[in-house]
Amino acid sequence: ETGVTQTPRHLVMGMTNKKSLKCEQHLGHNAMYWYKQSAKKPLELMFVYSLEERVENNSVPSRFSPECPNSSHLFLHLHTLQPEDSALYLCASSQGLVLVRELFFGEGSRLTVL
Amino acid sequence: QQQVKQSPQSLIVQKGGISIINCAYENTAFDYFPWYQQFPGKGPALLIAIRPDVSEKKEGRFTISFNKSAKQFSLHIMDSQPGDSATYFCAASDYKLSFGAGTTVTVRA
Repeated sequence: ETGVTQTPRHLVMGMTNKKSLKCEQHLGHNAMYWYKQSAKKPLELMFVYSLEERVENNSVPSRFSPECPNSSHLFLHLHTLQPEDSALYLCASSQGLVLVRELFFGEGSRLTVL
Repeated sequence: QQQVKQSPQSLIVQKGGISIINCAYENTAFDYFPWYQQFPGKGPALLIAIRPDVSEKKEGRFTISFNKSAKQFSLHIMDSQPGDSATYFCAASDYKLSFGAGTTVTVRA
């Protein structure tokens, strides 16, 4: 079983739909992240959680709503998205937030907004 | 503001050739410089990393060269193989990681 598991791997949704992305980490880490990966752009940090508390929110539109019920699970709730939100959404975890040296990524959820 | 600038955006190399990817940064508080490798359909994974007190680090066919005074570092892939075809991200960390835009490497057989 991989360290960080994301579901679904692929998602197609209309602009009026509501869907959620799920991430689970099996590494015993305390910090979890959502990144957006668009073609030819740097990885874009969206949210950071440490011990279920949101510690960073990088000016992400409110149509993206994160939820971290415990240190192993992270969700990204999606509603009324725009076509430009189509991207690969990556979840990652790290041991902690102080002096982050390595992020462990999931395989991503490929989102297409029609 | 992009904290780590990476080039080229893509490169094609023949099997057995050398792939070179360059990164530059401005923040002198960065003290850890990893490279991530991402295969299609997969998430990025740590490949190799260097600290600024070292000028070079080699792991197998992968070498990081680091120039502290120029605030630049690079990844060299020696004897490139088709299995090395992937996207490579440089990154820099002070207390959190900042990523470059990525370089797609294609190794032709």
